[in-house]
Amino acid sequence: QSVLTQPPSVSGAPGQRVSISCTGSSSNIGAGHDVHWYEKLPGTAPRLLIYSNTIRPSGVPDRFSGSKSGTSASLAITGLQAGDEAEYYCQSYDSRLSAMVFGGGTKLTVL
Amino acid sequence: QVQLVQSGAEVKKPGSSVKVSCKASGGTLRNYAISWVRQAPGQGLEWVGGIIPMFGTSNYAQKFQGRVAIIADTSTSTYMELSSLRSDDTAVYYCARGRDHGYGVPIDYWGQGTQVTVSS
Repeated sequence: QSVLTQPPSVSGAPGQRVSISCTGSSSNIGAGHDVHWYEKLPGTAPRLLIYSNTIRPSGVPDRFSGSKSGTSASLAITGLQAGDEAEYYCQSYDSRLSAMVFGGGTKLTVL
Repeated sequence: QVQLVQSGAEVKKPGSSVKVSCKASGGTLRNYAISWVRQAPGQGLEWVGGIIPMFGTSNYAQKFQGRVAIIADTSTSTYMELSSLRSDDTAVYYCARGRDHGYGVPIDYWGQGTQVTVSS
């Protein structure tokens, strides 16, 4: 059971928009800790997509965006492409656990 | 550009211990939070614990307390030792360098991963 809750899967057709939620609590996201998002492909290390809730590292297309409100955060992907098929993870910090925490991951399927 | 290079795959018996090392090139580990994150087959990413070498302090996820040790032995090298191995410790283990000396910061650099298989 992950401290941060993500939907197990989302899907969308090429060109469409999808959103992935990451729900936490008052000891992590709700406490003001930043949320970061990663893309993970099989057999490779995670890649940072969004950091500090909304900021894209250089090289990440502007089709990817992040937001945060209250005890939740979201990753949105517009203009879906076949190459976006991957697992996506949110990450934050939990003050009560004194630990880095991850969401359970969301598998994105491009139909 | 910082690169983290981990030691090779391991096959261990239940009850034994494993040590996975991580060496940085192109930069230091000293001023950053170094985390160990694992992914078991079909599962998500899980934080095992970390160390901030400049402070000399290690922190471990509750689940692994008492059977994990994370050590920074030089400014560019760290290792994780996990003991009393069980079959559900079978996973790919990653070392990762955070952007700063805290566990709430994003992770910029990851090792290539080390497969640890626990099997009798």
